[in-house]
Amino acid sequence: QSVLTQPPSVSGAPGQRVTISCTGSSSNIGAGYDVHWYQQLPGTAPKLLIYGNDNRPSGVPDRFSGSKSGTSASLAITGLQAEDEADYYCQTYDTTLSGRVFGAGTTQTLL
Amino acid sequence: EVQLVQSGAEVKKPGESLKISCKGSGYSFTSYWIGWVRQMPGKGLEWMGIIYPGDSDTRYSPSFQGQVTISADKSISTAYLQWSSLKASDTAMYYCARCSGGSCQADYWGQGTLVTVSS
Repeated sequence: QSVLTQPPSVSGAPGQRVTISCTGSSSNIGAGYDVHWYQQLPGTAPKLLIYGNDNRPSGVPDRFSGSKSGTSASLAITGLQAEDEADYYCQTYDTTLSGRVFGAGTTQTLL
Repeated sequence: EVQLVQSGAEVKKPGESLKISCKGSGYSFTSYWIGWVRQMPGKGLEWMGIIYPGDSDTRYSPSFQGQVTISADKSISTAYLQWSSLKASDTAMYYCARCSGGSCQADYWGQGTLVTVSS
């Protein structure tokens, strides 16, 4: 049971927009710690998608965007493509656990 | 080019010891934290702990404290994850990752080491 709550799955049609939420608490996201997002394609290592709440590493398409407000963060994917089918994880720091934590992950599928 | 190259897959019996490795190249190995992440079969990512190779400062996540040992040899730019007595429940894919920035985003990842523990 992660301290960061994500929906188990989301889905959307090609070209549509989907959002993935990451809900925390006052001991992690609400305490001001940055949220990062990772994409894990089947059978591969995770890849950094968004860092510091809303920043994209070089090479990540601008179809991916991140935001943070209060005790929650969100990842938005616009213009859904087949290659976006993957698992997505949020990650931050938690003061109660004194360590870095991942959300349980969200599987994004194409309708 | 930044690379993290992990050691190969391992098959072990319960009670055996194991040490897997993660060799960094293409950057200053002593200037970035290295983290270890567990992914059990069909499950999500779990942060195990991190080490700063520059001075071997190590932090463990509570769930993994006392269960594993994280170390590093800066002379060969390599970080390690070891077990003294494996259990079947240690069967998982283990990733190392480089932490960047003050909030430790994992910007480069190893390819993963699959550890299988079975009698």
